[in-house]
Amino acid sequence: DSGVTQTPKHLITATGQRVTLRCSPRSGDLSVYWYQQSLDQGLQFLIQYYNGEERAKGNILERFSAQQFPDLHSELNLSSLELGDSALYFCASSSEGSSYNSPLHFGNGTRLTVT
Amino acid sequence: DAKTTQPPSMDCAEGRAANLPCNHSTISGNEYVYWYRQIHSQGPQYIIHGLKNNETNEMASLIITEDRKSSTLILPHATLRDTAVYYCIVNPLRSSASKIIFGSGTRLSIRP
Repeated sequence: DSGVTQTPKHLITATGQRVTLRCSPRSGDLSVYWYQQSLDQGLQFLIQYYNGEERAKGNILERFSAQQFPDLHSELNLSSLELGDSALYFCASSSEGSSYNSPLHFGNGTRLTVT
Repeated sequence: DAKTTQPPSMDCAEGRAANLPCNHSTISGNEYVYWYRQIHSQGPQYIIHGLKNNETNEMASLIITEDRKSSTLILPHATLRDTAVYYCIVNPLRSSASKIIFGSGTRLSIRP
C-alpha cells in the first residue's frame, strides 16, 4: 500500500459530461502529480501541485483542470469528455523534503471510460 | 532533463537474476537515476534510486557505471510476480517544480 488514495476506482460516463477525480496524498507529502495512461500507452505527465500551488504543467488539455486544497488533497476535473479521454488516471505524491529527491508514490488509479 | 534508452522487452527465467539495462549518456552531475515498475494496470511502484554509488534495498540493486552514462537494475531472484514494465528515469535534484517524465520502459517477462 503506497498510502496514496484515489477515488473512484472506476468511472463510466458519456461524451460531453464532466467528472472529478480525487486524490489523497500520503500523510505529510506536499507534492501531488497527475498522470494519464491510455490503453497500452505510457504515462503522460499532466500537472504537478506543491503545497496548494501549481508548479509544473505537462500536456494537459484545456478541458482539464486541477487544484490542490489546503488539506493537500487534489482533484482533477475533466470536462466536455470525449471518447479519447478514456484512460487510467494516476495520482502520485512525494514529500519534497529538503533534498527534493524523494521518489513518487502512486495510487492505484481511476479508470475512466467515456461512452 | 537527460533522456533514457531501454530495451523494449526482455525475458528471464524464474529464480534467475534479471538484469535490466538503461542508457542515460547525457546525464549531468546533479541528476539521479530512478527505477519504477508497473504491474499490469496498477499504479507504478518505486523500486530504487541513486546518484553515483551502487545502491541495494530489499527489492533490487542498482549498479551505476563510473561515468554515470548507464545503469543496470538487478532483481536477484526473479519471480513470476516481477513480470512488469520497468521504467528508468533520470531527474535532477528537484526544485519544488518538476516534470517527471516516464518513457516507454522495458517489458520484463518472467518465464516459469
